[in-house]
Amino acid sequence: GESVGLHLPTLSVQEGDNSIINCAYSNSASDYFIWYKQESGKGPQFIIDIRSNMDKRQGQRVTVLLNKTVKHLSLQIAATQPGDSAVYFCAENPSGGYQKVTFGTGTKLQVIP
Amino acid sequence: GAVVSQHPSWVICKSGTSVKIECRSLDFQATTMFWYRQFPKQSLMLMATSNEGSKATYEQGVEKDKFLINHASLTLSTLTVTSAHPEDSSFYICSAHGTSGSVAKNIQYFGAGTRLSVL
Repeated sequence: GESVGLHLPTLSVQEGDNSIINCAYSNSASDYFIWYKQESGKGPQFIIDIRSNMDKRQGQRVTVLLNKTVKHLSLQIAATQPGDSAVYFCAENPSGGYQKVTFGTGTKLQVIP
Repeated sequence: GAVVSQHPSWVICKSGTSVKIECRSLDFQATTMFWYRQFPKQSLMLMATSNEGSKATYEQGVEKDKFLINHASLTLSTLTVTSAHPEDSSFYICSAHGTSGSVAKNIQYFGAGTRLSVL
């Protein structure tokens, strides 16, 4: 069936460096993608989203890139800080509306002080 | 920003008892809420979609008589784990789609989760 998955289960980054978290998706018809951050023992927190008609979107210290040709999504975090340590999930919303989303397997980001 | 409140955050119960978890959207109305289950170091698994005023839609493999969902108002959905057993121990998380106010309508806002431990 359709799925959203991540390339790396764990990523260790030195504080101050940039982080790149990758995600592969398989539903080429998906219209909307979201990145969530989940800290230990908490619910996911929205970071940034992107629609399929865009290939890049920037937020505060974060950038999401979408490559529809290879069905790849990435989250870039600039100047990674200890507070960025968490598990990051990409999620896929096929229609972009009030439908259920499919979550990827997650990548754990460890920031080394 | 949008806030989804989930209560309780942690519950321990004896095997065979029922546990109710509440999910409230505090500053927006949500006609659609979702219930997830998450095992340690794993992703979120959707259990069901809760729709205000109608029956919930359960994912394949999720027992609707085991996990009762009620969405009686635009700001409250409840999940009741009936006759809980140790294998039901997990982290349960709810989310809500914003449908009014200043919240973005495409985004699911998540509660903080409920840690259920069944002895």
